[in-house]
Amino acid sequence: KAGVTQTPRYLIKTRGQQVTLSCSPISGHRSVSWYQQTPGQGLQFLFEYFSETQRNKGNFPGRFSGRQFSNSRSEMNVSTLELGDSALYLCASSPGGLPRTDTQYFGPGTRLTVL
Amino acid sequence: GIQVEQSPPDLILQEGANSTLRCNFSDSVNNLQWFHQNPWGQLINLFYIPSGTKQNGRLSATTVATERYSLLYISSSQTTDSGVYFCAVEFPFGNEKLTFGTGTRLTIIP
Repeated sequence: KAGVTQTPRYLIKTRGQQVTLSCSPISGHRSVSWYQQTPGQGLQFLFEYFSETQRNKGNFPGRFSGRQFSNSRSEMNVSTLELGDSALYLCASSPGGLPRTDTQYFGPGTRLTVL
Repeated sequence: GIQVEQSPPDLILQEGANSTLRCNFSDSVNNLQWFHQNPWGQLINLFYIPSGTKQNGRLSATTVATERYSLLYISSSQTTDSGVYFCAVEFPFGNEKLTFGTGTRLTIIP
């Protein structure tokens, strides 16, 4: 099976712009989670989508949003970018049942730089 | 609050040495995973281990859920083992997100 894919891999934006990142989960997986990794805050949970619905949400401002399509692909959007949004954004996929009885599989990440 | 603590924060070893990485968590967990993050940022699954012991080649892991800790053992270290090792847990109170520890940065010197 193909792994989790994320596009683009690298992105440079300026403050005030918006950005959309994409994640395609492993075939058959219905849950996609998003995480932000920064040197100061480490790895933090953004949100999780399952069957096109947001199932869980972390403590991030409303500028961070996401959605999931019927084929389980997910996008996250960050509006009005700030310098502090510079980070590695990782998505993870899993089959989706709760409680989880298997690992989450991570994509290679999108490295966002805000200038 | 919810805490996942890893030790040591940094570890430098000669190739061929053995190492033990520790993860302490503050409450009972549904799920515990160990990851290796390579220099390019990719998180690679090592173990899904909410309890018990597992082995995969030179790596093994043990989770003692009742005492709220997990250990990752790396034997006969190779330079390709370098990187950051994370443990991540899911706590069973309503939000099944992964909470990550702060990681252990392992450097293997040839």
